[in-house]
Amino acid sequence: AQKVTQAQTEISVVEKEDVTLDCVYETRDTTYYLFWYKQPPSGELVFLIRRNSFDEQNEISGRYSWNFQKSTSSFNFTITASQVVDSAVYFCALNNAGGTSYGKLTFGQGTILTVHP
Amino acid sequence: EAQVTQNPRYLITVTGKKLTVTCSQNMNHEYMSWYRQDPGLGLRQIYYSMNVEVTDKGDVPEGYKVSRKEKRNFPLILESPSPNQTSLYFCASSLTAPYQPQHFGDGTRLSIL
Repeated sequence: AQKVTQAQTEISVVEKEDVTLDCVYETRDTTYYLFWYKQPPSGELVFLIRRNSFDEQNEISGRYSWNFQKSTSSFNFTITASQVVDSAVYFCALNNAGGTSYGKLTFGQGTILTVHP
Repeated sequence: EAQVTQNPRYLITVTGKKLTVTCSQNMNHEYMSWYRQDPGLGLRQIYYSMNVEVTDKGDVPEGYKVSRKEKRNFPLILESPSPNQTSLYFCASSLTAPYQPQHFGDGTRLSIL
């Protein structure tokens, strides 16, 4: 079984604050992929990043950074110096590439981020 | 333009009246899937298809059917819709598998009265 938990339902910050979105996952497989997707108020779903289970190197892309820690089964997402345009629902997702459920993609409940000017 | 197209975008209908939501992609993708999005529950996978004529259940398949007769199309069928199927539905595709980034359609908002 695979499961993704995003315990933060809603986060509200003021522009320029840093914010971290938490993602905790459960899987019995050793080969898996983790993702973050963004859903802005316009409603479309946009891919942000993918990490595989063999690569724990953290990644930075502009104001976005991701911290993958297998020891705590977490894949957290940090936005530095947040901006109003970062306001969106953010989803974490998991695919067990090596297991019997390899065709499934499991999403978390989503975190609604609101950045106030 | 590479895209996943869903139709209709909005639909209000009544309990028990069969409906089909179409999904078509023009990227020659093998993997396609359907999700429903509900407040507090996130996105939940309904069905997925690894290729033509290959479909399998996701986490919430009850009350839904799918077919994959052609690579580009993956319709979602509600044979006897009920109010608990009122939701926002997304179709998605990727080149070969779910471990690749998904391309999502714009969503279909279904209201079943």
